[in-house]
Formats: sequence, C-alpha cells, structure tokens
Amino acid sequence: GQNIDQPTEMTATEGAIVQINCTYQTSGFNGLFWYQQHAGEAPTFLSYNVLDGLEEKGRFSSFLSRSKGYSYLLLKELQMKDSASYLCAVLDSNYQLIWGAGTKLIIKP
Amino acid sequence: DTAVSQTPKYLVTQMGNDKSIKCEQNLGHDTMYWYKQDSKKFLKIMFSYNNKELIINETVPNRFSPKSPDKAHLNLHINSLELGDSAVYFCASSQDRGDRTDTQYFGPGTRLTVL
Repeated sequence: GQNIDQPTEMTATEGAIVQINCTYQTSGFNGLFWYQQHAGEAPTFLSYNVLDGLEEKGRFSSFLSRSKGYSYLLLKELQMKDSASYLCAVLDSNYQLIWGAGTKLIIKP
Repeated sequence: DTAVSQTPKYLVTQMGNDKSIKCEQNLGHDTMYWYKQDSKKFLKIMFSYNNKELIINETVPNRFSPKSPDKAHLNLHINSLELGDSAVYFCASSQDRGDRTDTQYFGPGTRLTVL
C-alpha cells in the first residue's frame, strides 16, 4: 500500500528553527510537495522537490532523499503566523497526489 | 481575483436531502479535483476531471456525482445525504499531469454539516 508518515504535532518557539519530517512509501515517484494549511482555510503550495537535495525559498527550505523515501521542511526565524498544519504529499507513478495527514505546528512566544 | 472559488462556504442540511457544491477556476487549468477532508484532517481525493473527462474515480458512494459543464467548472452533487458525509470539501485545479506544473491550487472549502 501507499503510505506517508509525518509527526502529528510539533511545538516550537518564535524566532527558532523547526524541521518537519516526512517519510513515504508509494508506487512510483514523480515529486513531493509541501503545503501549508491554516485552520479553517485551504492548503496553499509551499514547495516541490523531484531531485535529491535542498531547495531554499526565503525562510522555508525543503529537502528530498529519494533513496531513503524521506523529505523535510525546514522553517527558520519562526513567526506566530507560521502556526498551521504542514502537509506532505507525493505524486505517484499515476500522477495521483497521495497526502499525509499533516503536522500541526504550534508556535509559542 | 480568486483563482479557485467554491460556493457555498457553509452548508447545513438534513439527512436525506440532495445538495450541490459549485466550483469554478479562472486559471485556465485542464484538471480539477474534489477532495474530502474529514475530522482527522486526511485529505482524500474523490474525483478528478481532465478536459471534461473523469480520470480518477476513487471508491466513493454513487450518491456523489461530479458534473463538469465546461473546463472551468466542476460541481459536486450529493444525493440522499448521510451523517457521515459531514466534512469539509475542497475543490482544486492543476494545469496538467506533468512535472512541476502539477501543483494543485485549492478553493476555500465548503463545510458541510448533515443533521
């Protein structure tokens, strides 16, 4: 079966750095997405990785290791507005997007 | 301008009723989707339409029927609503089934409550 695992919840302090991990087992791989979802709102696109390595975009970076079936989202200089759920999703060989359950990130002052 | 819009945003109805949720995208995308997000926050794909053809039909009850009058619209019609249908329903669209262009853009969601 297809499976995507993320921690259910994480807590971090304003101004700090947090890493949200995602491991996946899917039938084929055509890329991995990270989405941010604030409570009561729709998911919004953060990043896309299809090659191994780190992609940096401002305060957010995303890393991928295809051989390990592993990705992480790194958030730096945390702000209160970063409190949200972070969803990992993998595009499988049929171009279907398989979603993880999301990681709820709580930022404390 | 809103890229992907859904109406209504909230829908409260009685068991057994029939209801529709509308979705429109102005991004010129070829593919549109309907997702159900339950209380555990899992996003489960229900349907996908590419150029007015159904290309994914996950095992959802046939009480749910997607209707696409044109490429910019994908409406969701639900017959004989049940308590378990209560959830948030998201519409999304993507440009193609290719590589990086497969980013999906989501509508604001419709919170359906069945009493």
